[in-house]
Amino acid sequence: AQSVSQHNHHVILSEAASLELGCNYSYGGTVNLFWYVQYPGQHLQLLLKYFSGDPLVKGIKGFEAEFIKSKFSFNLRKPSVQWSDTAEYFCAAITGANNLFFGTGTRLTVIP
Amino acid sequence: DVKVTQSSRYLVKRTGEKVFLECVQDMDHENMFWYRQDPGLGLRLIYFSYDVKMKEKGDIPEGYSVSREKKERFSLILESASTNQTSMYLCASSLFGKGGNTEAFFGQGTRLTVV
Repeated sequence: AQSVSQHNHHVILSEAASLELGCNYSYGGTVNLFWYVQYPGQHLQLLLKYFSGDPLVKGIKGFEAEFIKSKFSFNLRKPSVQWSDTAEYFCAAITGANNLFFGTGTRLTVIP
Repeated sequence: DVKVTQSSRYLVKRTGEKVFLECVQDMDHENMFWYRQDPGLGLRLIYFSYDVKMKEKGDIPEGYSVSREKKERFSLILESASTNQTSMYLCASSLFGKGGNTEAFFGQGTRLTVV
C-alpha cells in the first residue's frame, strides 16, 4: 500500500539550531512530494514541492528538502530555526492515481 | 487569490444526526479531497474525487459518504454521526495530473463535535 512515513513525532530545538525532519514514502512509480506547514490556529500551507529535475528544492522561509530516490526519502531541512518556525510539519505525496497521502506529522517546538 | 471555503468553522451535532460538511473551491480544480485530522494521526484521507460524480474511497471511508454534483463543490456526509467522528475535517483541492502545479490548497477546517 502507498504510504508516507514521518518518524519524528515531536522535535524540540533551541533557536539557531539546525533542523532535519525525516520523510519516507512507499511507492514505486513517479511521485510528486510536498512539505506542508500548519502554524497554530491556521490552515495548512505549502512549504515546498518536488515533481522533477533538481532533487534539492528550496521553499519559503529558508526551508529546503532533498529528494533521494534510492532511499525513497524527502527530508526537510533548515540551517537555523527561529521561534516563529514552531508549527506542525506534514510530508505528503501524490501518486499515479492522483491520490494525496500525508504522513502523521512532526510537531516542532523552537525554544527562544 | 486561490480559495477553498468550508461552510462552517465549528459544528456541534448529536449522535445519530445526519451531518453535511460543504466545501467550495474557486480554482476550477479537478481533484477534491476530504481528510480528518486527529492528534498523532496526521491527515487521513476519507474520500477524494477527480471529476464530477466520480469518487474514490480513501483510507477511512466507513461511516462517511460524499457527493460531487458540480466541479466546484464537494460535500462530506456523515449518515449517522457518532462520537468517534468528533474531529477536525479538512477539505482540499488540486489540479489533476502530474507536474509542478499539483499542490493542494486547503480550507480552514471544520471542527466537528458529536455529543
